[in-house]
Amino acid sequence: DTAVSQTPKYLVTQMGNDKSIKCEQNLGHDTMYWYKQDSKKFLKIMFSYNNKELIINETVPNRFSPKSPDKAHLNLHINSLELGDSAVYFCASSQATGGTEAFFGQGTRLTVV
Amino acid sequence: GQQVMQIPQYQHVQEGEDFTTYCNSSTTLSNIQWYKQRPGGHPVFLIQLVKSGEVKKQKRLTFQFGEAKKNSSLHITATQTTDVGTYFCARTWAGTALIFGKGTTLSVSS
Repeated sequence: DTAVSQTPKYLVTQMGNDKSIKCEQNLGHDTMYWYKQDSKKFLKIMFSYNNKELIINETVPNRFSPKSPDKAHLNLHINSLELGDSAVYFCASSQATGGTEAFFGQGTRLTVV
Repeated sequence: GQQVMQIPQYQHVQEGEDFTTYCNSSTTLSNIQWYKQRPGGHPVFLIQLVKSGEVKKQKRLTFQFGEAKKNSSLHITATQTTDVGTYFCARTWAGTALIFGKGTTLSVSS
């Protein structure tokens, strides 16, 4: 069983479209994150959720809206996609907020054309 | 602020040579974590350092945490092609998230 799974793995879409990426973890962790990795491999924190509550929103455009229906899921919805949104998006989870090992999903490579 | 600076950004070595990446913070860190990301893969946790001056080893990898808890290093002895990837250090920020350094991408030629 994959500990942190996200779908889809690849996503190619046109500018202006709306898309969602799903993430699920079966580790029983309290905290989940979304990271964006650009072409230079920089991993930038986007959102941090603890027990379904948003605790970090790091200067992310409001076109990005995370949703956590329960502790095991953190989905990312993106409206009005732009070329600059092209990146690899990683979901991750950890037992607690910071200070503990983070487990990453396989990543979703988003390409906006 | 919360950013950790990591150098070098890229490093190419011949197989068998040693490799070191450094991570520096302007503020005292409660802990530092290290991750490895293989090409096309996702970051995988390697280790966490917590104590001042701590040194931990994993086979050919040696991790150090500075006495002032403001810097850390990862040293690989006698690199192999399997060591290829990007190595990230990460700090806890405000107890809420992991903030990553920009990573050091290691390439190894045989």
